[in-house]
Amino acid sequence: GNSVTQMEGPVTLSEEAFLTINCTYTATGYPSLFWYVQYPGEGLQLLLKATKADDKGSNKGFEATYRKETTSFHLEKGSVQVSDSAVYFCALSPTYGGATNKLIFGTGTLLAVQP
Amino acid sequence: KAGVTQTPRYLIKTRGQQVTLSCSPISGHRSVSWYQQTPGQGLQFLFEYFSETQRNKGNFPGRFSGRQFSNSRSEMNVSTLELGDSALYLCASTARGQFTGELFFGEGSRLTVL
Repeated sequence: GNSVTQMEGPVTLSEEAFLTINCTYTATGYPSLFWYVQYPGEGLQLLLKATKADDKGSNKGFEATYRKETTSFHLEKGSVQVSDSAVYFCALSPTYGGATNKLIFGTGTLLAVQP
Repeated sequence: KAGVTQTPRYLIKTRGQQVTLSCSPISGHRSVSWYQQTPGQGLQFLFEYFSETQRNKGNFPGRFSGRQFSNSRSEMNVSTLELGDSALYLCASTARGQFTGELFFGEGSRLTVL
């Protein structure tokens, strides 16, 4: 079946450190991949996405590359800020180009950035 | 532009009761999805509606039901509540029912079952 596995948190970093949050997936076909972020007290919001192999999604300094050969979609940022502290969710849509917005989410990774 | 609005934000119920949660999507959005978020299971898809029709359903028992109205507002209902139904219920909307994967989430309704 379809599933997403992401690294357990919490991840604690100092400001300006390099961030990597690992995400791997299992899916049939060619899923689209997403990173969502949940800031404290807020709903989830889309951070970036990639819809086919080798695509790179990027937003707000965050990047992730769709790697089909390793079934991975790791999230990276070169220099984190305190304001990046949040829970990050990796997700996939099991249907590419289909008529559904059902997403399969990973368990989430809490990132805490210290000044 | 107003975001997705969910009501109530917090509620406490006892086992055996039922609950109805409401979701108002972003204006112009016609697709609404519901997710359950718990510490143990994470985010799990409940159902998706578009133009008042259920388009997809997750693996939840029949106690969980939903509907969508002609103005795109949606409600979900949980009957015969169990302790394990305690969770944050998130509603998300998307524009025009097209697949983009970009869901706009509300802040959720936090249900506690005692």
